[in-house]
Amino acid sequence: QVQLVQSGAEVKKPGASVKVSCKASGYTFTGYGISWVRQAPGQGLEWMGWISAYNGNTNYAQKLQGRVTMTRDTSTSTAYMELRSLRSDDTAVYYCAKSSGSWNNWFDPWGQGTLVTVSS
Amino acid sequence: EIVLTQSPATLSLSPGERATLSCRASQSVSNYLAWYQQKPGQAPRLLIYDASNRATGIPARFSGSGSGTDFTLTISSLEAEDFAVYYCQQRSKWPPEYSFGQGTKLEIK
Repeated sequence: QVQLVQSGAEVKKPGASVKVSCKASGYTFTGYGISWVRQAPGQGLEWMGWISAYNGNTNYAQKLQGRVTMTRDTSTSTAYMELRSLRSDDTAVYYCAKSSGSWNNWFDPWGQGTLVTVSS
Repeated sequence: EIVLTQSPATLSLSPGERATLSCRASQSVSNYLAWYQQKPGQAPRLLIYDASNRATGIPARFSGSGSGTDFTLTISSLEAEDFAVYYCQQRSKWPPEYSFGQGTKLEIK
């Protein structure tokens, strides 16, 4: 079955960087994009950016431009999201999701989520 | 950036009742609109894609409608497991850019 498995929880200090991985299985990795979505405690869903697993093209949310980098490794069917200059308001659960449909219109499935805590 | 506005913020209903959730876009998104259900401690689950298509395994009591700027998710007869938070999501442009509504919490009355 199609599955995305993310790396484990992280605790970081303000100003540090975090890199979260998302390993895909059960489908042709290069046929679809991967999006990253985060959810702060008790809040809604925030789209962070998208990467084409085919050619590595990216599109980032304007709010995170300059602090986020998304990459992928086609040899291991794994996508990565790195967020730099972490602040306390970056504390959130970070999800990867397969951008599905012919035009990457929706997200299915989602990874299990990775809790990133930013605290001094 | 396209803004999605969901209403109501909270909906209090009883099992067996009909639920109607609304999502309005700040500009047309054609039919590129999806709905998700999220329960506490879980990742969101796709319910509806392209405005009106049920995802695999989703019960027939869930239905979606609308196009352009106004969309509706209807749950025909609520069951206990349907009480959760629901989000709408749109895709625009290429390379794709997405946004979510702020969510509707469906709670037991």
